[in-house]
Amino acid sequence: AQSVTQLGSHVSVSEGALVLLRCNYSSSVPPYLFWYVQYPNQGLQLLLKYTTGATLVKGINGFEAEFKKSETSFHLTKPSAHMSDAAEYFCAVSASSGSARQLTFGSGTQLTVLP
Amino acid sequence: KAGVTQTPRYLIKTRGQQVTLSCSPISGHRSVSWYQQTPGQGLQFLFEYFSETQRNKGNFPGRFSGRQFSNSRSEMNVSTLELGDSALYLCASSLAETAWGYTFGSGTRLTVV
Repeated sequence: AQSVTQLGSHVSVSEGALVLLRCNYSSSVPPYLFWYVQYPNQGLQLLLKYTTGATLVKGINGFEAEFKKSETSFHLTKPSAHMSDAAEYFCAVSASSGSARQLTFGSGTQLTVLP
Repeated sequence: KAGVTQTPRYLIKTRGQQVTLSCSPISGHRSVSWYQQTPGQGLQFLFEYFSETQRNKGNFPGRFSGRQFSNSRSEMNVSTLELGDSALYLCASSLAETAWGYTFGSGTRLTVV
């Protein structure tokens, strides 16, 4: 079984500041990890994913995340926030085998970017 | 390349009615999954189909059902609607039997009154 905890349901940053969204996971098997972004009245857009290999993963729009097995974390960062980054962000986990097709999502973090 | 298309985008139904939502995956994608998104429960997995077979089902009552056609298009049905079924229903498709290739549609917003 897998679970995801996103620390902070709301995060506010100033434009140009560092964005850090936290995600911790629990998984009984090696996990695959994802970050999705959702804009109002839209579906989910994949930002980045970790399956195997390099633990620092680069995604779209300047985002990156690092898989830290020892800390069971997969935090999302962006060096400089832009107004267009304001959205809701979801961390998700799936098993790397068996029920691999099912995603378990965190509760989401609403990112506000202040001018 | 067209994305995942969900129809309709918005729907209002009365308690007790039934509803059918449609999802057309990206061309060539054979796996379709459905998720329910509500403010209280967040994003929850409903079910997943691959080549017309249900491969996985989430923890939802039997009122929720789905199917997949030979062209990979999928429908989900909710019978005897309850107020709590009001949600954004998201469909996702992928080429392979894995979650990491998911592309999501824009969803169908269902309101039950």
